[in-house]
Amino acid sequence: GQQLNQSPQSMFIQEGEDVSMNCTSSSIFNTWLWYKQDPGEGPVLLIALYKAGELTSNGRLTAQFGITRKDSFLNISASIPSDVGIYFCAGRISNTGNQFYFGTGTSLTVIP
Amino acid sequence: GAGVSQTPSNKVTEKGKYVELRCDPISGHTALYWYRQSLGQGPEFLIYFQGTGAADDSGLPNDRFFAVRPEGSVSTLKIQRTERGDSAVYLCASSVTGDGEKFFGPGTRLTVL
Repeated sequence: GQQLNQSPQSMFIQEGEDVSMNCTSSSIFNTWLWYKQDPGEGPVLLIALYKAGELTSNGRLTAQFGITRKDSFLNISASIPSDVGIYFCAGRISNTGNQFYFGTGTSLTVIP
Repeated sequence: GAGVSQTPSNKVTEKGKYVELRCDPISGHTALYWYRQSLGQGPEFLIYFQGTGAADDSGLPNDRFFAVRPEGSVSTLKIQRTERGDSAVYLCASSVTGDGEKFFGPGTRLTVL
């Protein structure tokens, strides 16, 4: 299957700091999604991106669909303790229907 | 309104045994997905149902894995002759349509001893 490289693998930051993480692929994707997963729960959708260059915000979260269509970025501004969790990117190649490929996740720890 | 529910939440079995994992999607959602998530990894696609039929089962790893959705709502993932490598969290998700936002359940943690 497709491999999505997500970095960094983990982050430890102080409350109030901004966070950036990214996801890259060897294939061109037509949709990028960003999810957050808390322990013992399923992933929850944060932001969906459908066009190259698209920049979308959801509160303190901003994500961008890379121009090459092979990457995406997620930024979190002014982090708070409840931002703790694992963040996953997921992408879809146009010819694979509803199959989304997930990255390996970025584990975020926010130190109060 | 209830979200996606999965039972059991935890399942411990012995190598070689048969297991069934159940998913109750959100009422009215026509699309249902099964994913497998190994420790430290992202979810891996297994199978996608649109209504009662499996629209894409290309993610099932081998013929020991099978899933059904006979009435277009509840789905059961069946694993025969379980192996230790099958140990993982099995996630179910549903969406209103095939292109809609997926809502994930909490998963079933399967441990094969």
